[in-house]
Amino acid sequence: DQQVKQNSPSLSVQEGRISILNCDYTNSMFDYFLWYKKYPAEGPTFLISISSIKDKNEDGRFTVFLNKSAKHLSLHIVPSQPGDSAVYFCAASGFNSGGSNYKLTFGKGTLLTVNP
Amino acid sequence: KAGVTQTPRYLIKTRGQQVTLSCSPISGHRSVSWYQQTPGQGLQFLFEYFSETQRNKGNFPGRFSGRQFSNSRSEMNVSTLELGDSALYLCASSSGLKNIQYFGAGTRLSVL
Repeated sequence: DQQVKQNSPSLSVQEGRISILNCDYTNSMFDYFLWYKKYPAEGPTFLISISSIKDKNEDGRFTVFLNKSAKHLSLHIVPSQPGDSAVYFCAASGFNSGGSNYKLTFGKGTLLTVNP
Repeated sequence: KAGVTQTPRYLIKTRGQQVTLSCSPISGHRSVSWYQQTPGQGLQFLFEYFSETQRNKGNFPGRFSGRQFSNSRSEMNVSTLELGDSALYLCASSSGLKNIQYFGAGTRLSVL
């Protein structure tokens, strides 16, 4: 059962435009959401996070939006730069449905390509 | 502060062998988690250790095991390697249960 889903395996945008990466989750017990960026041959790098009590968090060019009723979050990158080209992972943390395990669950990632 | 350090970076093993991977967390971090990344599967959670105790475990067979030492360094062991174990193994450390996880560069394991 995939609790965190990134339905777009890839996304291509032009430099300077907005990149919007989407993520859906199913576990209503998730209470903290994160985005990581990963370059080839490197480990994921933390980008931005949001608590379930908020609906928006902004850090420079990066903004994460959370819609709890829809169990959906998105990452906006404005303006997009070629150096943003990487795989972006959405992750959610919280207890499982049994309330016993608190852990971080990742989506499968979206490859973002920003074209000059 | 130094980041999360994983050794070795690359490993080549043959089926049936066993392997041990090492992870040194960020100084002061007591939680260490391990993940397996394969193409198209994202990051699959293996297990998490906190203060030398396994706190969480993913859905992997018993061939995958780990441990944590008193200095928070962690090792992961895979016995009786299978071809499907070829993957990037990532270690992440954090300072607490709900804190951000910081990843190492990973160990690329190839099983021939």
